[in-house]
Amino acid sequence: QKEVEQNSGPLSVPEGAIASLNCTYSDRGSQSFFWYRQYSGKSPELIMSIYSNGDKEDGRFTAQLNKASQYVSLLIRDSQPSDSATYLCAVNGHPDSWGKLQFGAGTQVVVTP
Amino acid sequence: GAVVSQHPSRVICKSGTSVKIECRSLDFQATTMFWYRQFPKQSLMLMATSNEGSKATYEQGVEKDKFLINHASLTLSTLTVTSAHPEDSSFYICSASGTLNTEAFFGQGTRLTVV
Repeated sequence: QKEVEQNSGPLSVPEGAIASLNCTYSDRGSQSFFWYRQYSGKSPELIMSIYSNGDKEDGRFTAQLNKASQYVSLLIRDSQPSDSATYLCAVNGHPDSWGKLQFGAGTQVVVTP
Repeated sequence: GAVVSQHPSRVICKSGTSVKIECRSLDFQATTMFWYRQFPKQSLMLMATSNEGSKATYEQGVEKDKFLINHASLTLSTLTVTSAHPEDSSFYICSASGTLNTEAFFGQGTRLTVV
């Protein structure tokens, strides 16, 4: 059974602080990795994609990938109340079927003013 | 990013009836579409993968006769929940990817309530 694991939270973060989210995956052949943000009752929204080891930064978000450890993380700097949502880690192990994603259960983030 | 439109956003139906959900790619050709289901407080679970012009591939445990998927064109896939029951009440989400895409784009989701 291929799995994507995340801490369910909630992760409480003071406004302006850094939120750190972790994700591990079991399929060593996984090719691409994504972080989605999902507000209650809404569809997931893509925040970051990462395909190679190392860091990738986009605005206040930084994704980190370590394929050897089968670990991907997301940092949210200068957290804002609008960042309060559930963050889903998703993994794709099928380069011939982009978009076929396996999701983690999600980490709920609560940013407190 | 590419736009995927899903309709309806909410639907309430009576037990035993069928409901059709549409997923359209508005500005790209979606060679592959995916259908997910999400129960409250749970993550998205892939139900099936559909490729334009061919039969859908269903994930283990998903009844293909209950969840009918049609992907007749490069811009439209439909999911029909047949003989719906209250346990089918869920949030259904489609996503689509094209030949030039390295990611999939999600529709807005459909909240189905069966009463």
